[in-house]
Amino acid sequence: ETGVTQTPRHLVMGMTNKKSLKCEQHLGHNAMYWYKQSAKKPLELMFVYNFKEQTENNSVPSRFSPECPNSSHLFLHLHTLQPEDSALYLCASSQDPTSGVDTQYFGPGTRLTVL
Amino acid sequence: GQNIDQPTEMTATEGAIVQINCTYQTSGFNGLFWYQQHAGEAPTFLSYNVLDGLEEKGRFSSFLSRSKGYSYLLLKELQMKDSASYLCAVRDGDYKLSFGAGTTVTVRA
Repeated sequence: ETGVTQTPRHLVMGMTNKKSLKCEQHLGHNAMYWYKQSAKKPLELMFVYNFKEQTENNSVPSRFSPECPNSSHLFLHLHTLQPEDSALYLCASSQDPTSGVDTQYFGPGTRLTVL
Repeated sequence: GQNIDQPTEMTATEGAIVQINCTYQTSGFNGLFWYQQHAGEAPTFLSYNVLDGLEEKGRFSSFLSRSKGYSYLLLKELQMKDSASYLCAVRDGDYKLSFGAGTTVTVRA
C-alpha cells in the first residue's frame, strides 16, 4: 500500500464509450500526476496538478480530459478512445514538484483496453 | 526530451548479485531515482541520489556519477521476490522527472 488508490483496476471499453478513471491519495500531498505506461516503453507523463491547478499538459490528445477537484482527488475522463490508447494508466502524488528530492508515490494503475 | 538508457532484461540466480546500469543525458540535473515495479503493481520508491557516490540500503545500493551521467542499482543476495522491473528516473534542471523504459530482472532458483 503506497497511500494512493486507483479505481477501477481494469477497464474494457469501446471506442465510442465515455468512462472515467479515479485516483485518491491519502498522503497529504499537494501534487498529483497521470502517467501512461505501455509495454517496453518509458512512463509517459500526461498531466500534472499542483495545488489543484494544472501545471503541465504533455501534448495529450483532447480525448483525455483531467479533473482535479481538490488536492486529494484526480480524475481522467476518457472519450472516443483509440485502440492504441490501451495501456496501464498510473496516478502518482508528491509533496512539492519544485524540489529536487521530491518523491512521487504511485497507485497500482488502471489497466485499460480499448476495443 | 531527455535520454535515459537501461538494459531491457537481466537474469540472475538466487543468492547472486546483479547490477543494473542507467545512463542519462539531461538538461541540468536535480537527482536520480530508482523504482521497483512488480508485474501488475505500483512502482515503489527504492532510492534517491543527488551527490556522487554510493547509497546503501540493506541489500540494495545505488551509485551515481554526475560527470559521467551514470548510475547503477546493485541488488545483493538476490531473492525470488526481487524478480521485477526496475525503473531509473532522472529529474532535470526544470525539475521534470523522466523515466527509462525499465529493466526486467528475473531471478532463477
